[in-house]
Amino acid sequence: EVQLQQSGPEVGRPGSSVKISCKASGYTFTDYVMNWVKQSPGQGLEWIGWIDPEYGSTDYAEKFKKKATLTADTSSNTAYIQLSSLTSEDTATYFCARGLPGYNYGVMDAWGQGASVTVSS
Amino acid sequence: DIQMTQSPSVLSASVGDRVTLNCKASQNINKYLNWYQQKLGEAPKLLIYNTNNLQTGIPSRFSGSGSGTDYTLTISSLQPEDVATYFCFQHNSWPYTFGAGTKLELK
Repeated sequence: EVQLQQSGPEVGRPGSSVKISCKASGYTFTDYVMNWVKQSPGQGLEWIGWIDPEYGSTDYAEKFKKKATLTADTSSNTAYIQLSSLTSEDTATYFCARGLPGYNYGVMDAWGQGASVTVSS
Repeated sequence: DIQMTQSPSVLSASVGDRVTLNCKASQNINKYLNWYQQKLGEAPKLLIYNTNNLQTGIPSRFSGSGSGTDYTLTISSLQPEDVATYFCFQHNSWPYTFGAGTKLELK
């Protein structure tokens, strides 16, 4: 069974950074990309970007290029997103989601449970 | 960026109704259109990918169609467990973008 287990809730002060993990199991980690999606409270969904764990290659939505850094550790089958220079606008739930290979990176067929980030002084 | 416009934003329907949700892209997305269902407090779930492909394990009452800029998700006979928000999502062009969602309620 494919599972994506995300780390717990984070609280960060304005200007600081937080790092969320997403541990994959039940499939070959390097065969699929990992997408990240943001959901602000009571709002819709925003695609942040993806990482190919095999090569470490990434792609980001322009809006998140200076905000998010995606990494992956193939030894532990874990993907990470680091959010920097936190502001109140970063308060949200962040999901990792597996993307299919080839031209289907955006077909996100398995999702983590979400990790909440709260920015508060 | 490609804008995805969903309509209606809220839809009330009765159990057994045939329900149609719409999604319009600001430009041709070549059928690279997925539908996700999100229930309250849960992660989104993939229902339909690339316009009309039913994801494994999803009931056959869900179907998708469309081309170019206009896409539709149809539920042939609404069930109580279908109460959720439905998002369309294009992955034809970077950055990938979601619609704002249609909240489906029971009448």
